[in-house]
Amino acid sequence: GAVVSQHPSWVICKSGTSVKIECRSLDFQATTMFWYRQFPKQSLMLMATSNEGSKATYEQGVEKDKFLINHASLTLSTLTVTSAHPEDSSFYICSATPPARKYEQYFGPGTRLTVT
Amino acid sequence: SQKIEQNSEALNIQEGKTATLTCNYTNYSPAYLQWYRQDPGRGPVFLLLIRENEKEKRKERLKVTFDTTLKQSLFHITASQPADSATYLCALVTGANNLFFGTGTRLTVIP
Repeated sequence: GAVVSQHPSWVICKSGTSVKIECRSLDFQATTMFWYRQFPKQSLMLMATSNEGSKATYEQGVEKDKFLINHASLTLSTLTVTSAHPEDSSFYICSATPPARKYEQYFGPGTRLTVT
Repeated sequence: SQKIEQNSEALNIQEGKTATLTCNYTNYSPAYLQWYRQDPGRGPVFLLLIRENEKEKRKERLKVTFDTTLKQSLFHITASQPADSATYLCALVTGANNLFFGTGTRLTVIP
């Protein structure tokens, strides 16, 4: 149990375009999902906390107008990178917490974004 | 400033030996500390959670200790195997259930 999927697993886009990444909890409902970014040989950095039915909470330094988060249902959160630039190229990973395991986070497989 | 440091970027050990990884933190008051395994190009996989009032936790060949006075956690893998080769991340959990990750230690178990 506690499986989280992401789609797509990798994407290449041109500068100036927008890209949407989906995060789904497959076998549980998640009122809260988290979005992280990981640059090569660096650790994961929390970008934002996504709350079902309400606005996301962004970490300091993360532009909310650039990284749009929508948590439309208890099993789906989306991250849209708007007007992407090459410096947005990174590994984006989401996670979710099953209700019965409050302090454990289960991560998706990640999405590799390359902006050319 | 807040920091989470893992003792070394890379650690090589011989198969069968015990691997010990260190996680030190400053300017955090975590409610919990967690350890994750991450393989290249994949998301982290949860391994163990230890609470601030627990000294030690075990799961199969894994053991975690948590010393809130020293602000340190040790992660041990006994009888290591080549399949244990991966990057191991410690993460602190704050009251808001946000995770803050260390930089990771890349473990290589040599057959």
